[in-house]
Amino acid sequence: DTGVSQDPRHKITKRGQNVTFRCDPISEHNRLYWYRQTLGQGPEFLTYFQNEAQLEKSRLLSDRFSAERPKGSFSTLEIQRTEQGDSAMYLCASSSDFSYSNQPQHFGDGTRLSIL
Amino acid sequence: QKEVEQNSGPLSVPEGAIASLNCTYSDRGSQSFFWYRQYSGKSPELIMSIYSNGDKEDGRFTAQLNKASQYVSLLIRDSQPSDSATYLCAVRGFGNKLVFGAGTILRVKS
Repeated sequence: DTGVSQDPRHKITKRGQNVTFRCDPISEHNRLYWYRQTLGQGPEFLTYFQNEAQLEKSRLLSDRFSAERPKGSFSTLEIQRTEQGDSAMYLCASSSDFSYSNQPQHFGDGTRLSIL
Repeated sequence: QKEVEQNSGPLSVPEGAIASLNCTYSDRGSQSFFWYRQYSGKSPELIMSIYSNGDKEDGRFTAQLNKASQYVSLLIRDSQPSDSATYLCAVRGFGNKLVFGAGTILRVKS
C-alpha cells in the first residue's frame, strides 16, 4: 500500500493556460475524490468517482474543469483557461466502498497550483 | 450558517496538557465524522473517525460525538510539540463527499 499519489506536486503556469493533474488512488480503493483547498480554509469537495463513473460534481466545478477516471484506475483533473482564482492546493483522496458510509478517505500530498 | 464550524484558534496549550478541539455541524442527517490533522504545506492525515454517539479512544486521542447536539470534539492527552498543526473536522451525510470545517490551529508550547 503506497498511498494516494499525485503528480505534479507543484505547478506554476500563466493565466489562460491549461493544466492537468493526475491522481493514483490506493490500489484496492474504487472511490476517488477531488477537493480544492485555499489558504486558511478546509478542503472543498469538487467531484467523486465510483470506479469509472463520475457520480457527483460540485457547483464549484465550472465548465472549465473536467475530471476523468478511465478504466476506474487513475484520475485526471484538467483546468482550461486558468484564472487567478484557480490558485489552490488540489487534493485527491480515495476510499473503499465496503460498509457504505463508514470508509474514511485518505488523501494524497496534493498538487499546488500557482497562476501567474 | 456554515455547514461545519470550528473555532479557528490558535489554541495554545502547554506540553503535557489536554487539548480540546470542538466542531459543530448543521446537517442532522450526517452519519460519519472524521478528524484530520494537517501540518503546514502538507495534506490532511486521518487521525480519528467516529460514527455513533459517545466516546472513541485511540492512544492519546479521544473523539466524542453527540448527534442530538450536533457536536463533535477531539481531545488530545499529553499534548506534544509535534501535535502542533491544524485540526480539520469533516462530516459526511448522505452521499460520499466530506464537508470540512476551516480547521483549528493548535500550538503546543514546550
